[in-house]
Formats: sequence, C-alpha cells, structure tokens
Amino acid sequence: TAGITQAPTSQILAAGRSMTLRCTQDMRHNAMYWYRQDLGLGLRLIHYSNTAGTTGKGEVPDGYSVSRANTDDFPLTLASAVPSQTSVYFCASSLRTGMAEQFFGPGTRLTVL
Amino acid sequence: QKEVEQDPGPLSVPEGAIVSLNCTYSNSAFQYFMWYRQYSRKGPELLMYTYSSGNKEDGRFTAQVDKSSKYISLFIRDSQPSDSATYLCAMSDQAAGNKLTFGGGTRVLVKP
Repeated sequence: TAGITQAPTSQILAAGRSMTLRCTQDMRHNAMYWYRQDLGLGLRLIHYSNTAGTTGKGEVPDGYSVSRANTDDFPLTLASAVPSQTSVYFCASSLRTGMAEQFFGPGTRLTVL
Repeated sequence: QKEVEQDPGPLSVPEGAIVSLNCTYSNSAFQYFMWYRQYSRKGPELLMYTYSSGNKEDGRFTAQVDKSSKYISLFIRDSQPSDSATYLCAMSDQAAGNKLTFGGGTRVLVKP
C-alpha cells in the first residue's frame, strides 16, 4: 500500500499567491494532521481532522485552511502565501483520534519568495 | 521555554557504539512517549512507543521514561551507519486528544 502521498514534492511560490498542498491516505484512517517542520522548531501542528467532515486548529493555524470532504483526502490551503510560510509540510494520519501513533507522508518543501 | 527540549546535535559516534538520546519536558500531563526516526528528505517514522514510566526494548532499541524527572531516553546498541538520521521525541496526553508535541530532533551520525 502507498500509505500517505503528498503533492507536490516541492514548490516555489510568489508571495501573495494561493496554493493547495494535497494529501491522500489509503489506510482508511479516521484522523489526519498537517504539520510544518522548521529548523530548530521541530514539527508543529497546523490543523487536524478527527473524522471526515470535521476539522480543528492546531498550534500554528493562522494563514492556513483545511477541509475534509472524505476519509482519504485532507488538503491544506494557503490563501495568500507569505515568506514565513517557507517550510517543509508533512501530512500524517492515525487510525482514530486518541491514538498516539501517527504515520507520516514524505513531505512538501515550500519556498515562498 | 519550549514544552519539549531536545539537543539538536549532531551526535557523531563510531559504528558499533551505543547512541544515547534524550528529551526533557515540562508538561506533567504527558502520558504517551514516542521516538520517531527521520531520514534526510523523508517523513518521520515511528520507532518506539511507550505509555507512562518504564523501559521498553525492541531489538537494538531501548526507550526509557522517567516521569518523576520529566526525562525520556532512547538507546541504540551496536549502532550502524544506517542509523544515521534525525531522531525526534514526541509526547501527548489524553486530555489534549493525543495531539503530539515534538522535540526539535537530534541529528545522529554513525561513522563506519
């Protein structure tokens, strides 16, 4: 099985432009998460979804939005990108809410100029 | 002060040596403790998972949790060059819906 796939692998984006990072899982996991990883700061939770149709804010949600129309997909949208959103973005999933074990995708490297 | 502190390294050891990694934390509510391994340009993968205090062993890996000291450790015995990666500790508590709080990661280099 593929597990979690993310697209694109990397992207250079002009400030002020919008972009959607895609995340798809084939494990039928209920819970999904978006993190950003920055040097020295580790992984920080942006948004999460406990189940299809619900979403919640994490530690650093400002400037990002998510949707969860179905179990498999959890896109992350930057409505108007700023240079501080330059980061590596990881999507993750867990079988259900309350399970500490999370499975991560390969990441998207985003540079905002 | 960060909720979870982890020395960024790099930690360089010769092949066959024991690698010792640790994290300290401030939130006494944390109950679940994890170690993730992350290779360069890859996503993190779960290595070890421990609930509450105690030790857990899995092959060459041993995880220890000391809740009284708010300190967790990961030991890698007989280290191999393939163990070269960044190791991230992560923690969660049930009240927060088990959302993970990560340390910044320690980069480990095992030299042949």
